[in-house]
Amino acid sequence: SAVISQKPSRDICQRGTSLTIQCQVDSQVTMMFWYRQQPGQSLTLIATANQGSEATYESGFVIDKFPISRPNLTFSTLTVSNMSPEDSSIYLCSVPMGQGARETQYFGPGTRLLVL
Amino acid sequence: TQLLEQSPQFLSIQEGENLTVYCNSSSVFSSLQWYRQEPGEGPVLLVTVVTGGEVKKLKRLTFQFGDARKDSSLHITAAQPGDTGLYLCAGGGYTGGFKTIFGAGTRLFVKA
Repeated sequence: SAVISQKPSRDICQRGTSLTIQCQVDSQVTMMFWYRQQPGQSLTLIATANQGSEATYESGFVIDKFPISRPNLTFSTLTVSNMSPEDSSIYLCSVPMGQGARETQYFGPGTRLLVL
Repeated sequence: TQLLEQSPQFLSIQEGENLTVYCNSSSVFSSLQWYRQEPGEGPVLLVTVVTGGEVKKLKRLTFQFGDARKDSSLHITAAQPGDTGLYLCAGGGYTGGFKTIFGAGTRLFVKA
């Protein structure tokens, strides 16, 4: 398993501003994932962050809105840019652990964002 | 596109009752995971099943993977208020192949 921490745990922001969320893992991992969980909803994958390369974004998510950094194998940041109330969500990072069919994801505690 | 349909979406029961949550797909998954998420927390892995027909037990929770690896169920016996939370099934997981697909979740509320 992995121990994952996120900062901040929650924030209230004004529309038009940006927030950077940090994700720290207690072991070196090649891949990290960023998810969004809107109120009462399941998880939607935003992007996959690989160390040493550009993040890969899912349909509906773009780098200008959600820039990601991955400076080393234990750390990543997700920025939510030019925020609007529709960006109010829980943002989660996760890392895959295990091999093959037994690979599973371990999640951070999430960052709860409210945009006014 | 792979989809995981989870049912029911919401369940409110009395303490001591039994319940079953279902996760179904038309696709075959190499594995299936069940997570539980409490308010203000990230999802916490409960179990991974990989073999068709596999049954795993975790105290009062019983997980089953369908023979064809297209569906799974979570059965809770004698539910307790501490079981309250959002239960998510997730299929797949090969980062070298397809991504993990999450179900919509089942929000369980157990009343004392």
